Order: sequence, then C-alpha cells, then structure tokens
Amino acid sequence: AQTVTQSQPEMSVQEAETVTLSCTYDTSESDYYLFWYKQPPSRQMILVIRQEAYKQQNATENRFSVNFQKAAKSFSLKISDSQLGDAAMYFCAYWYNNNDMRFGAGTRLTVKP
Amino acid sequence: KAGVTQTPRYLIKTRGQQVTLSCSPISGHRSVSWYQQTPGQGLQFLFEYFSETQRNKGNFPGRFSGRQFSNSRSEMNVSTLELGDSALYLCASSVQGGDNSPLHFGNGTRLTVT
Repeated sequence: AQTVTQSQPEMSVQEAETVTLSCTYDTSESDYYLFWYKQPPSRQMILVIRQEAYKQQNATENRFSVNFQKAAKSFSLKISDSQLGDAAMYFCAYWYNNNDMRFGAGTRLTVKP
Repeated sequence: KAGVTQTPRYLIKTRGQQVTLSCSPISGHRSVSWYQQTPGQGLQFLFEYFSETQRNKGNFPGRFSGRQFSNSRSEMNVSTLELGDSALYLCASSVQGGDNSPLHFGNGTRLTVT
C-alpha cells in the first residue's frame, strides 16, 4: 500500500524567508503523481503544486517549488519569500490511477511577521 | 466558474441518527470523491463516483454510502451515526478522475455527533 509521511507536524518561518516542508512516500509504482495541497483556516484544500513522477524536472509555481528525488521517494516543498497568507496546513499527497489520493498527516506552517 | 459547493457547512446529529451531505462539483467535472478528515486519522478516502457509478471505495463500513446524480451532484449518507463519525467531510471534484487532473475541494461539512 502506498503511504505518505510528513515528519514535521509544525514548522515556523519568518516573513520573507524560505522554508522547506518534507514529504516521503512509499510505492512500488514507477509512474504516479505527487501533490502539495494547502488548507487554510477556511478549510478548503487548495492545490499548490503537482509533479509527475516520469518528469525529472522539478515543478515550480511562482514562489513554490519542489525537490523531487524519485530514487529516495522524497518530495519536499520549498516556499520562498514567505508571506503571511502562506500560513496554513500543508498536505503532501500521492496519486496513482485508482482515484484514491493518499495524504500525509500534514505540516502546520506558521509565518511570523 | 463556481467552485465545489458543499452543504450544509455544519451539522450536529445524535448517535443512531442518519445524515446526508451534499456536494455540487465544478461545472464540467464528472468525478466526485469524498474524504473524511479527523485529527487522529487525517484525510481518508471514502469513495469516488463517476457517471453515477461508484468506481472506487475506501476502507469504511457499509454505514457510509453515496450516490451521484445525472448532473454529477453527489450525496453522501451515513447511517446509525457513531461518535467517531464526527469529522470534517470533504468533497472533491475533477474532470474525469482516473487521470492526473487535480482534485478541487469544497469547504467541507463539519459533522458533530453527540
């Protein structure tokens, strides 16, 4: 079974600084997708970034980028120039062709002004 | 384009009762998935519907059921409620599911069972 592990329950970053959230996963598949979702207090899960496993190039979306290490099964999220609005729960997720997206336990990110 | 709409936003029920939650997907999205979110278990997949058919089901008891209508709207039903069913129930839609189109989530329904 595929599992997703986020080892950092909480992280804190100073406004305008950079923070990296960790995620590891376990799978025997070679072609899958990985996602980072953000859940602010409004409760709505918002897609931050996604990565196709067959692509070696790391995905980027403005201030958000990932470090995808397929062999190590690691998928970390880097947030640059952190803003107060980035404060939220961040979930790493794995998806493989069965409509069952597996989520990690989440990392609560606090941004200090 | 309107997002995923879930109703009601909050619900309080008593043990033994049943409850129905509603989800309207983004226009054009045909796949609807349901997730249960609790502090202890995190986000867990309940089931996914596509074209009025349940395509995939998570590891939940038969008290949890759902359906999808021809307009892609979906309902989730929980019968004989237990205290442990208290959770945030999230609905997500995607264009087709079964591909790599990302899930778009609603704001969830907060169910409290007393």
